[in-house]
Amino acid sequence: QTVVTQEPSLTVSPGGTVTLTCASSIGAVTSNNFPNWFQQKPGQAPRTLIYGTNNKHSWTPARFSGSLLGGKAALTLSGVQPEDEAEYFCLLYFGYGGVFGGGTTLTVL
Amino acid sequence: QVQLQESGPGLVKPSETLSLTCTVSGGSISIYYWTWIRQPPGRGLEWIGYVHNSGFSNYNPSLKSRVSMSVDTSKNQFSLNLSSMTSADTAVYYCAAGNTGFSVLYWGQGTLVPVSS
Repeated sequence: QTVVTQEPSLTVSPGGTVTLTCASSIGAVTSNNFPNWFQQKPGQAPRTLIYGTNNKHSWTPARFSGSLLGGKAALTLSGVQPEDEAEYFCLLYFGYGGVFGGGTTLTVL
Repeated sequence: QVQLQESGPGLVKPSETLSLTCTVSGGSISIYYWTWIRQPPGRGLEWIGYVHNSGFSNYNPSLKSRVSMSVDTSKNQFSLNLSSMTSADTAVYYCAAGNTGFSVLYWGQGTLVPVSS
């Protein structure tokens, strides 16, 4: 089965910008993989931030954006807030179904 | 806005079949794609599969032989059955909804299902 890889952890300063990426073991990620991005805080269910590469949910803050970057799916946070400290997961779809990345722990410090 | 609530047993014995139900409110059971996702304690997320009211479904190949999903429009519910449970299936199980088979927009709160004798 395809492996989807994310950075295990990243640290960013408040007000800074950080980009999380999501790579596929079988080649470049494209819009046909319909990248989804989710945020999960401890003890809570995940919540959707981005679907279909760059579509925002009604509750997604403007500082979050999705894109394709260098053959990977990317989630960029601009003007990071302390409340953005969380685990972030990507989900890619392939011909046989969906595969989650292992998650990125984002620390705001 | 779609709201989802999982329900099911608090505990499953090894070799038994897990049956979970997700009750939908605030949205039509007929138009969304209904997804199940699980998360073992302290670990990442695993996509189990989805079902649509039309009967179309798509399951994770690693679970396909043990999984079935269905939609009950009369009750505004959809369900997951996972057979031959083992301790490796211990996880929080989430139901979710998307407007296509390639999106997850809404999540339930999740229900922890331990597998133990």
